Amino acid sequence: AQSVTQPDIHITVSEGASLELRCNYSYGATPYLFWYVQSPGQGLQLLLKYFSGDTLVQGIKGFEAEFKRSQSSFNLRKPSVHWSDAAEYFCAVGGSSNTGKLIFGQGTTLQVKP
Amino acid sequence: GAGVSQTPSNKVTEKGKYVELRCDPISGHTALYWYRQSLGQGPEFLIYFQGTGAADDSGLPNDRFFAVRPEGSVSTLKIQRTERGDSAVYLCASSFLSFGDTQYFGPGTRLTVL
Repeated sequence: AQSVTQPDIHITVSEGASLELRCNYSYGATPYLFWYVQSPGQGLQLLLKYFSGDTLVQGIKGFEAEFKRSQSSFNLRKPSVHWSDAAEYFCAVGGSSNTGKLIFGQGTTLQVKP
Repeated sequence: GAGVSQTPSNKVTEKGKYVELRCDPISGHTALYWYRQSLGQGPEFLIYFQGTGAADDSGLPNDRFFAVRPEGSVSTLKIQRTERGDSAVYLCASSFLSFGDTQYFGPGTRLTVL
């Protein structure tokens, strides 16, 4: 069965520091992988997605993620965090040919210290 | 352009009552999804529509939950005999296609069952 694990429930980083949010997935075939961000009072917004090809994916707001098949991981990174990046981040996996449903991880809450 | 809209934004009901939650997808999007997000968790898939038909309803927790999309646009999620455990944020998403396409999420309906 498909599953997504985000090992870190809560992360705190200083503004300007680098960030890496971890995501591990379990999926039998080649997955489609997504990172979404959810700010308080706002809906989920897509940061980036991986379907195939280059394993390093660039997204919005300066985020990138790297797909590593051997590690079943799709970690999200940003070289320099801004205070406005404080939010909840969700990794999701999809890929069934019959449905586009996404399986989400439980999320990582990012706090940014000034 | 207009995004996915959901009404109401908040719904408070009493245990045992019937509720309807509405989703207006982005115009032209053929795929529509319902998810449920409990506090501190990631969204959990409920049901997926392709056009007017429910292509995958494997996430509906029991027969108290039902959803329709009669004209292939607006969808209504219906919950009968609500229970306190149904309290959550119900999210709707739509996409132009289904398989692997980006899902755009609405702001959600927060359902509270007293």
